[in-house]
Amino acid sequence: AQSVTQLDSQVPVFEEAPVELRCNYSSSVSVYLFWYVQYPNQGLQLLLKYLSGSTLVKGINGFEAEFNKSQTSFHLRKPSVHISDTAEYFCAVSELGGSYIPTFGRGTSLIVHP
Amino acid sequence: DVKVTQSSRYLVKRTGEKVFLECVQDMDHENMFWYRQDPGLGLRLIYFSYDVKMKEKGDIPEGYSVSREKKERFSLILESASTNQTSMYLCASSSGTGNQPQHFGDGTRLSIL
Repeated sequence: AQSVTQLDSQVPVFEEAPVELRCNYSSSVSVYLFWYVQYPNQGLQLLLKYLSGSTLVKGINGFEAEFNKSQTSFHLRKPSVHISDTAEYFCAVSELGGSYIPTFGRGTSLIVHP
Repeated sequence: DVKVTQSSRYLVKRTGEKVFLECVQDMDHENMFWYRQDPGLGLRLIYFSYDVKMKEKGDIPEGYSVSREKKERFSLILESASTNQTSMYLCASSSGTGNQPQHFGDGTRLSIL
């Protein structure tokens, strides 16, 4: 079975600074990887996904993530954050040919300060 | 765009009441899910369904049941509400395979007094 670890529960950063949110996974087979964002009092929405092909994936709102198979990581990055990026971010994994039910990490709270 | 609609954003109920949370999706998705979200614990899967009238237990099914009589609707039922079921409840749907993302509703914040 797969598992997901988001190494930081909270990441504070100043506006216009770069940010990286870390995600590591464990699986014995190939995986699909997802990042979701949850703004206050809303549900989760898809930020980006890695299915196959290029390991650098671009998503909405200027975010991107890089799949690193050897390090089993899928870190999320943004070169310059805005106040409006303050939200909870969830990494999720599902297994190729396995269940359609993803496993979610516990989330990272990104707090952008002016 | 896929729309997942949860019937209530906020709900306050009393201990012992039977509580119904409703979820409707408009994209003909086979799979539907109920999660609860608590601070520091992330999302925990309560029940899911991969077809009409089919249901499977997730990680924390105790105290809950579900109903899926129509493909677009998935209901979560708290048979006898207790204070430890105070939480944010999220409904999600997805199409058939693991490479498809889930689509979430805006959540129902349920308080049991």
